[in-house]
Amino acid sequence: GQQLNQSPQSMFIQEGEDVSMNCTSSSIFNTWLWYKQDPGEGPVLLIALYKAGELTSNGRLTAQFGITRKDSFLNISASIPSDVGIYFCAGQLKSGGGADGLTFGKGTHLIIQP
Amino acid sequence: NAGVTQTPKFRVLKTGQSMTLLCAQDMNHEYMYWYRQDPGMGLRLIHYSVGEGTTAKGEVPDGYNVSRLKKQNFLLGLESAAPSQTSVYFCASSRYSGSYEQYFGPGTRLTVT
Repeated sequence: GQQLNQSPQSMFIQEGEDVSMNCTSSSIFNTWLWYKQDPGEGPVLLIALYKAGELTSNGRLTAQFGITRKDSFLNISASIPSDVGIYFCAGQLKSGGGADGLTFGKGTHLIIQP
Repeated sequence: NAGVTQTPKFRVLKTGQSMTLLCAQDMNHEYMYWYRQDPGMGLRLIHYSVGEGTTAKGEVPDGYNVSRLKKQNFLLGLESAAPSQTSVYFCASSRYSGSYEQYFGPGTRLTVT
């Protein structure tokens, strides 16, 4: 099936640092979504992007829908301990027909050292 | 609102046994989905439903069956469990098609021995 390349696979950072992660694909996506998953929990939606070039913020989180519609990035500013978790990008393929589920990246593990 | 709930939270099966996972949502969403999550693989779509009485195959449907008899419930069945089905299963729902936000349940951790 369609793959999303998410990087980095893991990040070890100091508290207070900024974080940046991205997803790329060889196919065009209609929608990009960013989720966070805590251990033992389901993914929780952070930000949804629907238009190429769109830049959206949610508190300390900022995400952008790439102009080519083949990539997206997520930035977290001034990281805090509760930011620890796995961050997933997900997208809806342009050719997906609308009703199909999302295609997920493999996740970025964020680990924060106090 | 409880959102999306899943039962059970944990289950251990022996190879060949059957079971049904239940997903319920109280948001009046039309669309419901079943995913599995395996280490290093992200989430993969098993089956989905675009409304009561409808189901469709996703990326990895083999070995699973689903039913959507009521709008608020989506059942995932394993007729003859295999060790390869050891995974964490997530249900999700969305108001509109897959282009829009999906809301996930807390997951069911299944081990098949």
